[in-house]
Amino acid sequence: EAQVTQNPRYLITVTGKKLTVTCSQNMNHEYMSWYRQDPGLGLRQIYYSMNVEVTDKGDVPEGYKVSRKEKRNFPLILESPSPNQTSLYFCASSTNQETQYFGPGTRLLVL
Amino acid sequence: AQSVTQLGSHVSVSEGALVLLRCNYSSSVPPYLFWYVQYPNQGLQLLLKYTSAATLVKGINGFEAEFKKSETSFHLTKPSAHMSDAAEYFCAVSLDGYNKLIFGAGTRLAVHP
Repeated sequence: EAQVTQNPRYLITVTGKKLTVTCSQNMNHEYMSWYRQDPGLGLRQIYYSMNVEVTDKGDVPEGYKVSRKEKRNFPLILESPSPNQTSLYFCASSTNQETQYFGPGTRLLVL
Repeated sequence: AQSVTQLGSHVSVSEGALVLLRCNYSSSVPPYLFWYVQYPNQGLQLLLKYTSAATLVKGINGFEAEFKKSETSFHLTKPSAHMSDAAEYFCAVSLDGYNKLIFGAGTRLAVHP
């Protein structure tokens, strides 16, 4: 089954404690993105990757890092999380001929 | 720069009534336009997309949307609402159709008996 998976689905952490949210897709897609969803703001792109070892900033990259060492994986790293990063995070993937497929989301609470 | 405005953060309709969710966009080039639906505690699912072919686009679950360039609109409609349509709906625009999506703030649709 074609899918985008994210782990964990729910995470509660404290300010400053590094965390990683994993994202994996099994569709051999070149493009992968991370979005955050906040009430009244819709989804905003954090980072994206056009292929292995190629990443770039989206609209709200501050406080986040990403890496793309393998085509299927695109982890989101929060080196020092802060409460304003409490949000719902979505990973998405696509090819250049298709629209984006979204993962199920990761709900993060930073205390 | 591209942007999307969804008019009405909450829309409530009766079961069987017409659903109309409004979306206006701005784009310097012909855009790709999308509607996504998000059911509670789930990810986003593509309802339909406009890619410069037919201006009336039919999607899943009986939804359709019409691209009107003169009005810069891409409103989503469904003739008869069903209880299962209750969800949040997002309009989005993209330059390339597959990578960066610019989303509207979303419209939460409630359907009551």
